[in-house]
Amino acid sequence: DAMVIQNPRYQVTQFGKPVTLSCSQTLNHNVMYWYQQKSSQAPKLLFHYYDKDFNNEADTPDNFQSRRPNTSFCFLDIRSPGLGDAAMYLCATSSGLTEQYFGPGTRLTVT
Amino acid sequence: DQQVKQNSPSLSVQEGRISILNCDYTNSMFDYFLWYKKYPAEGPTFLISISSIKDKNEDGRFTVFLNKSAKHLSLHIVPSQPGDSAVYFCAASAQRSGNTPLVFGKGTRLSVIA
Repeated sequence: DAMVIQNPRYQVTQFGKPVTLSCSQTLNHNVMYWYQQKSSQAPKLLFHYYDKDFNNEADTPDNFQSRRPNTSFCFLDIRSPGLGDAAMYLCATSSGLTEQYFGPGTRLTVT
Repeated sequence: DQQVKQNSPSLSVQEGRISILNCDYTNSMFDYFLWYKKYPAEGPTFLISISSIKDKNEDGRFTVFLNKSAKHLSLHIVPSQPGDSAVYFCAASAQRSGNTPLVFGKGTRLSVIA
């Protein structure tokens, strides 16, 4: 089945220790998104790639970076995680229309 | 400042009855609206959408109503089933394009009681 896969599902990192979250898709969609969702909050868009074009949201901290080496993969790098970065991180894809297809998320814990 | 608001954090409905989930928005540029459903430990899944040129869209047990003048939309589920118990997110976009961000509400947790 075509899908959006996120690894790992649960990630624990230490304060200030860089961490990378991974997303892959078999849908061959040209748009990939990264969202941050904290408890009882709306998913918040961090950035997205439209093909190779990177679009950063204005209020996304510099601490968050992303890479998309090819159509199928997209990575979220958190350079120096703080306690406030503990959240669920959701990856989504789209064919260029508004409907987005989400992965199961990676829950990040910062100790 | 929240542009998409779901003012009810939770809703309980008896099985077989109608569930009505509400959503309000403030940005008059929004012209495409979506509902997503999220089970625990899973990502949101697309449920139904509506364009601003319509006031109603129906898909099986799910109907979305849009009132542009009131900047309000609602999702009706009838009849409600226990498997509908989940968090429902309302989302809006200024353009039906993958390059235009979706703005989400905080979600409403629906519990359908058998």
